[in-house]
Amino acid sequence: AQKITQTQPGMFVQEKEAVTLDCTYDTSDPSYGLFWYKQPSSGEMIFLIYQGSYDQQNATEGRYSLNFQKARKSANLVISASQLGDSAMYFCAMREGPGGSYIPTFGRGTSLIVHP
Amino acid sequence: SAVISQKPSRDICQRGTSLTIQCQVDSQVTMMFWYRQQPGQSLTLIATANQGSEATYESGFVIDKFPISRPNLTFSTLTVSNMSPEDSSIYLCSVEGEDNPQYFGPGTRLLVL
Repeated sequence: AQKITQTQPGMFVQEKEAVTLDCTYDTSDPSYGLFWYKQPSSGEMIFLIYQGSYDQQNATEGRYSLNFQKARKSANLVISASQLGDSAMYFCAMREGPGGSYIPTFGRGTSLIVHP
Repeated sequence: SAVISQKPSRDICQRGTSLTIQCQVDSQVTMMFWYRQQPGQSLTLIATANQGSEATYESGFVIDKFPISRPNLTFSTLTVSNMSPEDSSIYLCSVEGEDNPQYFGPGTRLLVL
């Protein structure tokens, strides 16, 4: 079974609007971390945001926020006020185990295109 | 966050040859990781490289094909040996940051003809 599922292969959004990229995960470990990365066409993997399984509040980093619903095992990325430079592949990843002692598993990614 | 550089950034190689990719980190790190990303695919971990010991390879990857060196705490190399067109991928090195996330280098784009 896949540990990280990203069901949207591609998403389109108008510039300045908000967009939600979906991510569901599967784990029986009570301690885990969830990550989102952005990969532009250059190929670099850029870390965006992190959510720990014990964190009480949803993580936020500037225009990025993580809608963490633990009971549903979902960790959707919300990008507010989309910009043309947000066009890229976005990967959700999970690392199980305390203190990040295990290797993260990546989802298949979602391609986001921002229209002017 | 760690600053990671990779060389080369891209290369075009003939089948049967080998390419060594270098990864340099601006701080000392215990573990370094090598990933492969085939066209249109997600990331797949090749191996974990610890300084002073042999690399630990994931299922489907072997040392003869992807030898790794880790001579010190800031540097590692990955060699792609006896290349075939199926090896055409982006190869990424990464390190684990103190604040949990993994940080990645800019990647090496390899095309094998």
